[in-house]
Amino acid sequence: NAGVTQTPKFQVLKTGQSMTLQCAQDMNHNSMYWYRQDPGMGLRLIYYSASEGTTDKGEVPNGYNVSRLNKREFSLRLESAAPSQTSVYFCASTRGLTDTQYFGPGTRLTVL
Amino acid sequence: AQSVSQHNHHVILSEAASLELGCNYSYGGTVNLFWYVQYPGQHLQLLLKYFSGDPLVKGIKGFEAEFIKSKFSFNLRKPSVQWSDTAEYFCAVKEGNTGKLIFGQGTTLQVKP
Repeated sequence: NAGVTQTPKFQVLKTGQSMTLQCAQDMNHNSMYWYRQDPGMGLRLIYYSASEGTTDKGEVPNGYNVSRLNKREFSLRLESAAPSQTSVYFCASTRGLTDTQYFGPGTRLTVL
Repeated sequence: AQSVSQHNHHVILSEAASLELGCNYSYGGTVNLFWYVQYPGQHLQLLLKYFSGDPLVKGIKGFEAEFIKSKFSFNLRKPSVQWSDTAEYFCAVKEGNTGKLIFGQGTTLQVKP
């Protein structure tokens, strides 16, 4: 039982490049979330998916898109990366909306 | 919108000192409250949570937190810290029925041996 996994662990992009961050969970959780972590700002929600087939914006969705590919996988896409998107990205999942969220190991993204 | 405020951004303690990290939230309705810890280079792990019942919640590694509804607070405590408690600590509130977590800014705890 690997929990929540994320790939890649590290990535360096140039401004304007695109990329997709992958997240998968093997706990049969219904809800999945994408956060970004910036120094002094805690974690901020980018997008979430309450259940398979649904996605909703969080606090900071601009510049990102998501896909809930199936119950296990929830990807985050940067279409045209900007230096302001340099951050650590965490994926999380939870069985139900009122349950504890479990976090993945994070992806450290640098946009030059 | 809900907000979560952690009063201490950086705390430095010696081993065996007592710890209290403050957390206040703005939401006036039913809340679910969490403390997460992030050890250097690792992902967030749940320390403890409050959903209902006894407002004094005990978590892992000797941590506890007290929910005081009248003060909108959920402070984290530990009687005697260890060097291995060096980490960043995040308070979070779950918003209503959406499942979304609102995080505080985080507190970096440095424990000197």
